[in-house]
Amino acid sequence: EAEVAQSPRYKITEKSQAVAFWCDPISGHATLYWYRQILGQGPELLVQFQDESVVDDSQLPKDRFSAERLKGVDSTLKIQPAELGDSAMYLCASSKSGYSGNTIYFGEGSWLTVV
Amino acid sequence: EDQVTQSPEALRLQEGESSSLNCSYTVSGLRGLFWYRQDPGKGPEFLFTLYSAGEEKEKERLKATLTKKESFLHITAPKPEDSATYLCAVLPLESNYQLIWGAGTKLIIKP
Repeated sequence: EAEVAQSPRYKITEKSQAVAFWCDPISGHATLYWYRQILGQGPELLVQFQDESVVDDSQLPKDRFSAERLKGVDSTLKIQPAELGDSAMYLCASSKSGYSGNTIYFGEGSWLTVV
Repeated sequence: EDQVTQSPEALRLQEGESSSLNCSYTVSGLRGLFWYRQDPGKGPEFLFTLYSAGEEKEKERLKATLTKKESFLHITAPKPEDSATYLCAVLPLESNYQLIWGAGTKLIIKP
């Protein structure tokens, strides 16, 4: 069964350092999402791509976060500089299309701890 | 304001004790409602999509139902391996893609 691949699974970084997460969506899925999830809460959408274009990044803290999907396949989410409040799980997800309620499939997530 | 509320926050059951989890939503129109299961430290795993009131879907010991204001996830004769957090998400009619998530119900099944 096809899966969304994410790396690294765990990352510990010091405050003010840079950190990056990588995601490879399910083959053929045009839409890619980055979510952030804090323990005890539902996922929060950070950015959504349709192919290589950003559809929505209204919740992305653009002063320190950036995301790209250059060739419309895999994607990278970067945080620079990291802050203590960024500690959370970062989830990548994909769907065939972002429209009409297509099912969103999630990766295993990347745990970030900022110390 | 569009909102999704899940209850209870946590539920402890004995193995074999059936129960239901609730997901109530307030949106002007519903495009779809999604149920996910999330194990500790892992990403959400898709369970069901429901599109219209009256619709039901089943998978093993789980059955999801939908009304105009809420959805129930019924669990029949649960086993310890059913322990997880169950998340509900709603796609409003006016939104093409932005899911609204509940905070989840943490289900613990004791042997």
